Amino acid sequence: DQQVKQNSPSLSVQEGRISILNCDYTNSMFDYFLWYKKYPAEGPTFLISISSIKDKNEDGRFTVFLNKSAKHLSLHIVPSQPGDSAVYFCAASGVNNAGNMLTFGGGTRLMVKP
Amino acid sequence: NAGVTQTPKFRILKIGQSMTLQCAQDMNHNYMYWYRQDPGMGLKLIYYSVGAGITDKGEVPNGYNVSRSTTEDFPLRLELAAPSQTSVYFCASSPRLASSYNEQFFGPGTRLTVL
Repeated sequence: DQQVKQNSPSLSVQEGRISILNCDYTNSMFDYFLWYKKYPAEGPTFLISISSIKDKNEDGRFTVFLNKSAKHLSLHIVPSQPGDSAVYFCAASGVNNAGNMLTFGGGTRLMVKP
Repeated sequence: NAGVTQTPKFRILKIGQSMTLQCAQDMNHNYMYWYRQDPGMGLKLIYYSVGAGITDKGEVPNGYNVSRSTTEDFPLRLELAAPSQTSVYFCASSPRLASSYNEQFFGPGTRLTVL
């Protein structure tokens, strides 16, 4: 059973517009959520995170929103740039997690068209 | 700092062969992880280690073995390669943190094909 799901495998957006990437989770014990960005032939790199006690975290063009009641989070990129074209992974971490393990979603490929 | 390094970048194996994927980090991180990523899928945890001499299974450990004799190195061993192990393998590390917030730092990956 997938505890973290990204239901859109791909998203195409025009440069300058907003990109919204979505993620759903089932485990209410998750207390941190992270977004990673991955370019081809590279490892994922950390982008932004949010604690479960917050509903919004902003870092420049990137904002993550968390809706705990709906078990849903989203990543907003404004304005989108061609360099943002990559695969984005949502990940979750739990408080009772001896290995500090992350559970990843399947990823969403974002394509930003010039 | 080189961060997390992985070798080799690419490898083709025949069924039944064995190999070791190397991973090293120079950030003095306690936690290290091995993931595999299949096409269109997320990263699945194979094994992890919370410090030298301590390893544990993740979600998909079958067909793999690990060891952690030093803080820096965390090799992944495939004993009898099977086509189902064709995948991209990522090694990652993270520091020991008081909270559960866990930013992991990833290597560039090893693309393995088993024919």
